[in-house]
Amino acid sequence: GNSVTQMEGPVTLSEEAFLTINCTYTATGYPSLFWYVQYPGEGLQLLLKATKADDKGSNKGFEATYRKETTSFHLEKGSVQVSDSAVYFCALSDGSTDKLIFGTGTRLQVFP
Amino acid sequence: EAQVTQNPRYLITVTGKKLTVTCSQNMNHEYMSWYRQDPGLGLRQIYYSMNVEVTDKGDVPEGYKVSRKEKRNFPLILESPSPNQTSLYFCASSSDPRVSYEQYFGPGTRLTVT
Repeated sequence: GNSVTQMEGPVTLSEEAFLTINCTYTATGYPSLFWYVQYPGEGLQLLLKATKADDKGSNKGFEATYRKETTSFHLEKGSVQVSDSAVYFCALSDGSTDKLIFGTGTRLQVFP
Repeated sequence: EAQVTQNPRYLITVTGKKLTVTCSQNMNHEYMSWYRQDPGLGLRQIYYSMNVEVTDKGDVPEGYKVSRKEKRNFPLILESPSPNQTSLYFCASSSDPRVSYEQYFGPGTRLTVT
């Protein structure tokens, strides 16, 4: 079945450091891929998405490229801020089912 | 303001005492869904609804009921809660998941069953 695997956290960084959170997936067909972010005490918010191979999603300085050859959708940011501290979820949708499949989430902690 | 609201935000209850968690959205979305979030398991879908009077099971529906009598509301019902239903619950909505799959999430309801 379809699944998403994320690196375990927490990821702890100093402000202005480079961020990578790894995400790989298993899916039949051509899924759409998403990153959602959950700030403390809040629900999830869509951060970025990509709907086909080689697409790059970007938002708020975050980027992720849909790599079909490596079945990956790694999240990157060049310079993190304390306000980026949150839990990040990778997710996929294969288009044939009416649901998102989430990874287990990766907690990011950024210190000044 | 476009939003998904849930009530209550926090609930502590005892085994077997029926409870309802309400969910309401003001975006005229057709699709609504309930998830539970547990450490190390991510989010798992409980039930979803494609439209009024249309509901279907997700991955973990056992012990839960839902109803969709109005477009804006999608309550989650636990007829006889058990401790393994202690979790963080999220309601979500979308204009059409088959088009964009961007779902809008409520703030969450933390449920503890003792």
